[in-house]
Amino acid sequence: KAGVTQTPRYLIKTRGQQVTLSCSPISGHRSVSWYQQTPGQGLQFLFEYFSETQRNKGNFPGRFSGRQFSNSRSEMNVSTLELGDSALYLCASSPGQRIYGYTFGSGTRLTVV
Amino acid sequence: GESVGLHLPTLSVQEGDNSIINCAYSNSASDYFIWYKQESGKGPQFIIDIRSNMDKRQGQRVTVLLNKTVKHLSLQIAATQPGDSAVYFCAVYGGSQGNLIFGKGTKLSVKP
Repeated sequence: KAGVTQTPRYLIKTRGQQVTLSCSPISGHRSVSWYQQTPGQGLQFLFEYFSETQRNKGNFPGRFSGRQFSNSRSEMNVSTLELGDSALYLCASSPGQRIYGYTFGSGTRLTVV
Repeated sequence: GESVGLHLPTLSVQEGDNSIINCAYSNSASDYFIWYKQESGKGPQFIIDIRSNMDKRQGQRVTVLLNKTVKHLSLQIAATQPGDSAVYFCAVYGGSQGNLIFGKGTKLSVKP
């Protein structure tokens, strides 16, 4: 079966712009989580959605937001981009409310210039 | 909150040798532990997991050991191959947070 699909794979944006990243989970998976990966901070949790509801949120500013649609696809948005937002953004999906069976996508590489 | 520590940021081994990657966690309420492998340009790939009611779990060429007394987790890779070269992360789940907490990762290099 198809894995977790993230689009686009690469993105270059200018400081101050906003960006929307997309994640399509594995078919049947209802939970989607987002992580930011940087060389300095490693993998940091952004937020988690289950059945269109945000269940958990990490320690990121309000410029980072997300949503989940009825088909479980998820988007995350970053407004007023800063240079420090340059990172690999990873999406992971799991079948249910707990994280067993967590599967990651290949990520979206965002570069802010 | 939970923190996950790294013992060694890099590890270099000879092809055919066994590799051991270590991880420490802080929250004794953590109840689920996962090891991931990340190759360049890819997302983390599940290797093996273990729940807190177990001390050891084996997969194909990999073994995870959990010592809850000292809050320590290790990944053993038998007969390490060049294809095992990657960054390995431990991740911890449970306690008050509802998400995985990741360690910083160990970069494994396998010399032919």
